[in-house]
Amino acid sequence: DTAVSQTPKYLVTQMGNDKSIKCEQNLGHDTMYWYKQDSKKFLKIMFSYNNKELIINETVPNRFSPKSPDKAHLNLHINSLELGDSAVYFCASSQSPGAAPTEAFFGQGTRLTVV
Amino acid sequence: AQKVTQAQTEISVVEKEDVTLDCVYETRDTTYYLFWYKQPPSGELVFLIRRNSFDEQNEISGRYSWNFQKSTSSFNFTITASQVVDSAVYFCALYSGGGADGLTFGKGTHLIIQP
Repeated sequence: DTAVSQTPKYLVTQMGNDKSIKCEQNLGHDTMYWYKQDSKKFLKIMFSYNNKELIINETVPNRFSPKSPDKAHLNLHINSLELGDSAVYFCASSQSPGAAPTEAFFGQGTRLTVV
Repeated sequence: AQKVTQAQTEISVVEKEDVTLDCVYETRDTTYYLFWYKQPPSGELVFLIRRNSFDEQNEISGRYSWNFQKSTSSFNFTITASQVVDSAVYFCALYSGGGADGLTFGKGTHLIIQP
């Protein structure tokens, strides 16, 4: 029973398209995140979302927007895709960041390739 | 600002050797949490350990051990009697709240265990 699941696992799309990556967690966690891993394997936080409060990493372009229909889901929408958006995107969840954070559980990643 | 440095980009050892992965962190917060994650070739991120800033006890889990030293801001990871299955990229990460409220990762150490 997967704790954090992302779909799709692979996504190939053309420049200029709009795409979404879905994420669901069944752990009952109240905080979810999106991370980006670039071609050099560097992992960087993009967003965190807790109780309808969204915290955005200032370096993330506004073409990226997370959408949370409910506590168990945090989807990532990307508009006007660019070549530089090619990366692996990881969804994660953890308990409330205000308290001592437990480990973040990560999804299996979505490899996005923009051509 | 917080930062995690993993100076070793790649380490290659022969199976059964012991190997230590270094991690140095920077933060102005007095309360913080340190993590290690493993990323095998299959790409998922696997949680290994979490340590809070008030607990400097070293930890051992099977062949894995961690040495946390606040005096040198280091949280090193040792694998004893390495095995080929230990081959992976290992990430050290720091959480101290603020910003996007997620983990700040080091750039990772690619560990290669040769048979």
